[in-house]
Amino acid sequence: QSVLTQPPSVSGAPGQRVTISCTGSSSNIGAGYDVHWYQQLPGTAPKLLIYGNSNRPSGVPDRFSGSKSGTSASLAITGLQAEDEADYYCQSYDSSLSGYVFGTGTEVTVL
Amino acid sequence: QLQLQESGPGLVKPSETLSLTCTVSGGSISSNNYYWAWIRQPPGKGLEWIGSIYYSGSTYYDPSLKSRVTISVDTSQNQFSLKLSSVSAADTAVYYCARLGIAVAGSRYFDLWGRGTLVTVSS
Repeated sequence: QSVLTQPPSVSGAPGQRVTISCTGSSSNIGAGYDVHWYQQLPGTAPKLLIYGNSNRPSGVPDRFSGSKSGTSASLAITGLQAEDEADYYCQSYDSSLSGYVFGTGTEVTVL
Repeated sequence: QLQLQESGPGLVKPSETLSLTCTVSGGSISSNNYYWAWIRQPPGKGLEWIGSIYYSGSTYYDPSLKSRVTISVDTSQNQFSLKLSSVSAADTAVYYCARLGIAVAGSRYFDLWGRGTLVTVSS
């Protein structure tokens, strides 16, 4: 059960900037819990992309950035590249469910 | 470099119990501050957290699966395991094991993942 809502798909031309929203509620993002983002390339396991709302693990290009405000969070990809074609998921903690929750996922297409 | 590897049957019959093991290599499962988790992804669908365990054996599960899930740890083998009982076709998914890291502010995220293993529930 996905309690975090993302757009099913976003697309952009190479070099453009795209953003992916992640909308939650007062029991998860709105309660102050951090949002984390994962990139899942076709046929592979998810990979941590952003943690703690806006922090990049070592090795993740600075083209990827995250932010959080109120009950929502966003992932931005600037200078879009063909290799960024993947599914992206947000994740947080939900106090009502007492567990970790993922977003519905967004497919990024590079035109 | 720490790695996780899932293992177990790829085919389980309906109503039986799904059993998977995750072997941690390149580091200790008994590291302080890290929990270990199982996550699944039905074909063509999104990610679903199943449950997590600490090396001491402390567990917590997704409420919707709690009645059917058991996660255990074997520190001597550097492994943790998943058992999901009374499976149905709806439990067909790629099952991932992962490590739960911790941010400065205390929130947790899945910082390392196994490659995943497909489990099909079918007679």
